[in-house]
Amino acid sequence: GEDVEQSLFLSVREGDSSVINCTYTDSSSTYLYWYKQEPGAGLQLLTYIFSNMDMKQDQRLTVLLNKKDKHLSLRIADTQTGDSAIYFCAERPNSGNTPLVFGKGTRLSVIT
Amino acid sequence: EAQVTQNPRYLITVTGKKLTVTCSQNMNHEYMSWYRQDPGLGLRQIYYSMNVEVTDKGDVPEGYKVSRKEKRNFPLILESPSPNQTSLYFCASSFGSNTEAFFGQGTRLTVV
Repeated sequence: GEDVEQSLFLSVREGDSSVINCTYTDSSSTYLYWYKQEPGAGLQLLTYIFSNMDMKQDQRLTVLLNKKDKHLSLRIADTQTGDSAIYFCAERPNSGNTPLVFGKGTRLSVIT
Repeated sequence: EAQVTQNPRYLITVTGKKLTVTCSQNMNHEYMSWYRQDPGLGLRQIYYSMNVEVTDKGDVPEGYKVSRKEKRNFPLILESPSPNQTSLYFCASSFGSNTEAFFGQGTRLTVV
């Protein structure tokens, strides 16, 4: 079945770039998502990329997709303390009504 | 404002005492689901509903019930809660099963 893997923790100094990585297994996935969960809150959609794209940039966020390796990354430039959160990668399988498949989440800690 | 509303946000209860966590969405979404979030395990889907009166089990349905009598509401019922159901619960809704999901703020449940 589908599976999405992420590392659980990442620490970055304020002002540096953060790179959160994700691997997925369903090569037919149409969309891949990044959700952000701030402390005490629900998940919010941060950005997404369509499977026929290699890169998507949105202000400080850059999403890179390597379909051959089934690897997705989220780069946050100039990381701020407000970026401290758990980041979830999710894939949208291209198989009927299969729901989104989430990774376990990467906890990003920003060190001042 | 488009939102998914869960109640209560926090609940402490005793083993065996039936409880209901409510979820309501105002976006006319057909698809709704419940997740639980546990450390190191990420998000696991409990139950989902494709439409009114249509519900199905997710990955971890044991000990839970749901109902979907109206499109906007999708309550989660724990008939006889046990301590292993202590968790953070999220309700989510979307237009379809594999489109962008909107999450509620979460309900932190403690069963003693």
